Amino acid sequence: DAGVTQSPTHLIKTRGQHVTLRCSPISGHKSVSWYQQVLGQGPQFIFQYYEKEERGRGNFPDRFSARQFPNYSSELNVNALLLGDSALYLCASSDRDREVNEQFFGPGTRLTVL
Amino acid sequence: QKEVEQNSGPLSVPEGAIASLNCTYSDRGSQSFFWYRQYSGKSPELIMFIYSNGDKEDGRFTAQLNKASQYVSLLIRDSQPSDSATYLCAVNRGGYGKLTFGQGTILTVHP
Repeated sequence: DAGVTQSPTHLIKTRGQHVTLRCSPISGHKSVSWYQQVLGQGPQFIFQYYEKEERGRGNFPDRFSARQFPNYSSELNVNALLLGDSALYLCASSDRDREVNEQFFGPGTRLTVL
Repeated sequence: QKEVEQNSGPLSVPEGAIASLNCTYSDRGSQSFFWYRQYSGKSPELIMFIYSNGDKEDGRFTAQLNKASQYVSLLIRDSQPSDSATYLCAVNRGGYGKLTFGQGTILTVHP
């Protein structure tokens, strides 16, 4: 089975622009979570979606938004980009029918804001 | 106090040795504990999880959990140069919520 896929792989934007990142979960997984990983730190939770509804939100400003589609793929949108938004954005897929919330990460999108 | 703290590293061990990676957490409501491996420039890869006190073994990896001490560790036996990576500890409060990660420990296994 294919793993989690994300697009694009790399992205360069300038301050003030907006960006849309995309994620497709593992087949059969209905939950998608987004994380931001700044260099040298562990991933920080941004959002979790399940069955197209937001199930959790981390401590990120309203410039960050996301949604989940009927096919369980997801988009993360970031408006009014700041230099500090430069990071690796990770999407994680999980099967909520399992006993433990194992989350499997996609390859990530490397965002650079100039 | 950080929610999840890992030994600061970097940790360097010779090939064939046991590498010991440690993690403490502050939320006593934490129920599931995960270890991820992240190679430079790549995304985190799940190694194993544990949710009961004691040891859990998977090949060369052993996870240990002590909820009373709020401590979880990962032992890597017979360390190989290919084990050189950043190891991330993550905790989950239960249910299907977020993972909270530590800052990671860089492990280098030298021949």
